Amino acid sequence: GAGVSQSPSNKVTEKGKDVELRCDPISGHTALYWYRQRLGQGLEFLIYFQGNSAPDKSGLPSDRFSAERTGESVSTLTIQRTQQEDSAVYLCASSDPGRPQETQYFGPGTRLLVL
Amino acid sequence: GENVEQHPSTLSVQEGDSAVIKCTYSDSASNYFPWYKQELGKGPQLIIDIRSNVGEKKDQRIAVTLNKTAKHFSLHITETQPEDSAVYFCAASKGGSYIPTFGRGTSLIVHP
Repeated sequence: GAGVSQSPSNKVTEKGKDVELRCDPISGHTALYWYRQRLGQGLEFLIYFQGNSAPDKSGLPSDRFSAERTGESVSTLTIQRTQQEDSAVYLCASSDPGRPQETQYFGPGTRLLVL
Repeated sequence: GENVEQHPSTLSVQEGDSAVIKCTYSDSASNYFPWYKQELGKGPQLIIDIRSNVGEKKDQRIAVTLNKTAKHFSLHITETQPEDSAVYFCAASKGGSYIPTFGRGTSLIVHP
């Protein structure tokens, strides 16, 4: 079946603008995760959704970052008033509660460049 | 919280050689240890995982070993090929809905 998809694949924006990044998880996966990956770095956890609620938002770096999920499906990560340090790859992953929930399936990421 | 250390950060081998990447974790409650491979421009993909009730798992040329007492686990790739070149991440999780903690990654380069 289809894997996790993300859009856009690349986004270039100017400092101060808002951006929205979209994630479509694998159908039936109720858990959804957002990570940030700076160039040459590891995965930085941002937020986790179980269904449409977010029990763990501990990784969001500032109040400029927010995320929502609807219909236990699509999720949107919004970054307001972007800064140059927001430049990174934003990865989304989903997992299936019917299988080992720890196994995450990642999308290809959105490469964000803030000029 | 959990802390995962991964070494080395870069590993360069000749085609046909073996490659070993090591990770240590701090939380003895962690019981699930996946390994991900990330090719350039792509998201990480699960290649193998191990749970704390086993000490070793093998899948063709890749294997993972786990030492719960020492709290470390390793990825072994035998007969490396150029297409194995990628960044490899280890992770540790307490299972269920716990968020896994990732290592910082190892860049593996296999020279033909």
